[in-house]
Amino acid sequence: GENVEQHPSTLSVQEGDSAVIKCTYSDSASNYFPWYKQELGKRPQLIIDIRSNVGEKKDQRIAVTLNKTAKHFSLHITETQPEDSAVYFCAALSGGGADGLTFGKGTHLIIQP
Amino acid sequence: DGGITQSPKYLFRKEGQNVTLSCEQNLNHDAMYWYRQDPGQGLRLIYYSQIVNDFQKGDIAEGYSVSREKKESFPLTVTSAQKNPTAFYLCASSTPKRTGGYTFGSGTRLTVV
Repeated sequence: GENVEQHPSTLSVQEGDSAVIKCTYSDSASNYFPWYKQELGKRPQLIIDIRSNVGEKKDQRIAVTLNKTAKHFSLHITETQPEDSAVYFCAALSGGGADGLTFGKGTHLIIQP
Repeated sequence: DGGITQSPKYLFRKEGQNVTLSCEQNLNHDAMYWYRQDPGQGLRLIYYSQIVNDFQKGDIAEGYSVSREKKESFPLTVTSAQKNPTAFYLCASSTPKRTGGYTFGSGTRLTVV
């Protein structure tokens, strides 16, 4: 089955700086890669996603890049703000798709004022 | 509540007791999933169902059971065989083609007392 590795587990950045979270996946047939943001005690919320036929996608301060050859994808947050503090999860949907998304273990992003 | 409702929000279980967590969605999604979340472990798949009257074990199904008698409902029972049930449980649903990723419920926090 699919295996997703996520790094780092904790990331602390100064407010206004950029943050980058990286994930690798094992199944070359995976074709859908969402990112979720989870605030303490709340449900994960989809913030951005990318499909395997696209290399990059941007939505305001958030962007995701995908390198299919290397089997890794990254989340980029620019001009970080205090409300960006949360746990972020990457996920991958394998080509078969029958058993749903496989999630990384999460990155706790801390925005220092 | 985003179209998918979990109840109760908090649940306490005594040793040797079975408890059932509710998950209801009005999104007309075919697929539904149960995940367990522990600190530092990310989201781990317990059970999933692609259609009514059918479900499959995920990565950590031991000590859990589910049913899918209606499209809208996917209850999870935590049995006494689950030795370490204290965790945050998340239910999710998606369309068959997963064009928009998952929609998550707000979660149930289960504690053994």
